[in-house]
Amino acid sequence: AQRVTQPEKLLSVFKGAPVELKCNYSYSGSPELFWYVQYSRQRLQLLLRHISRESIKGFTADLNKGETSFHLKKPFAQEEDSAMYYCALTGKSSGDKLTFGTGTRLAVRP
Amino acid sequence: SQTIHQWPATLVQPVGSPLSLECTVEGTSNPNLYWYRQAAGRGLQLLFYSVGIGQISSEVPQNLSASRPQDRQFILSSKKLLLSDSGFYLCAWSFGDKRTEAFFGQGTRLTVV
Repeated sequence: AQRVTQPEKLLSVFKGAPVELKCNYSYSGSPELFWYVQYSRQRLQLLLRHISRESIKGFTADLNKGETSFHLKKPFAQEEDSAMYYCALTGKSSGDKLTFGTGTRLAVRP
Repeated sequence: SQTIHQWPATLVQPVGSPLSLECTVEGTSNPNLYWYRQAAGRGLQLLFYSVGIGQISSEVPQNLSASRPQDRQFILSSKKLLLSDSGFYLCAWSFGDKRTEAFFGQGTRLTVV
C-alpha cells in the first residue's frame, strides 16, 4: 500500500533560519512526489513536484529513493512561508491514486 | 482554462438526513476526480477517486458513497448522516494519465447536528 508520512505536525522557526519539512513514503514502483501548500484562507495548491527539479519560492525538494524520502527545504525562511504543507504521492502502478500525508504546519516567527 | 466548482461551501444537516455534495470541472475532458476529507492532525484523507465515468475506487469503509454520472461531475453522498461525518470535504481533479498536479475546489464545511 502506498503511504506518505510527515512526522512533524508543527515546525516553528525564526525568520532567516533554515527549514526542512520531512516526508517519507512507501510505494511499490516509481513514485511521483509533490509538495502542496495551503496558506491561510486559500485553496490547497501545488508548490513543487519532483520531476520538475525546480525551486519555487526558494523551496527545493530532492527525491531520495534509497531513503524513500522527499524532504522540503529552504535555506532562509520568510514570514510569508507560514502555512500548512502536505507531501503527496501518486504513480502509475496505483492507478493514479493520489495520497497525502498528514501535513506539517510551518510557523515562521519574526 | 480549467476550473473546478464545489458546492455548497457550508452545510448544516441533522443526523439521519441524506447528503449530496457536488463537484464539477470545466475546461477539460476525462479528468481524474477525487474526494478528500481534511481534518486537523489527520491531513487529507482520500475517500474516493475516479479515473472515468462509472469507475469509483473507495479508500475507506464509511457511511459515504460517490458517483460519477458524467465525465466532469463527481458527487459525494450519504443516505443517512452520522455525527462523525462532520468535517471539511475537498474535491480535486487532475489530468488523466499524466499524473501532474491536482487542482482543488474551495471545500465544503459539513456540520451534522
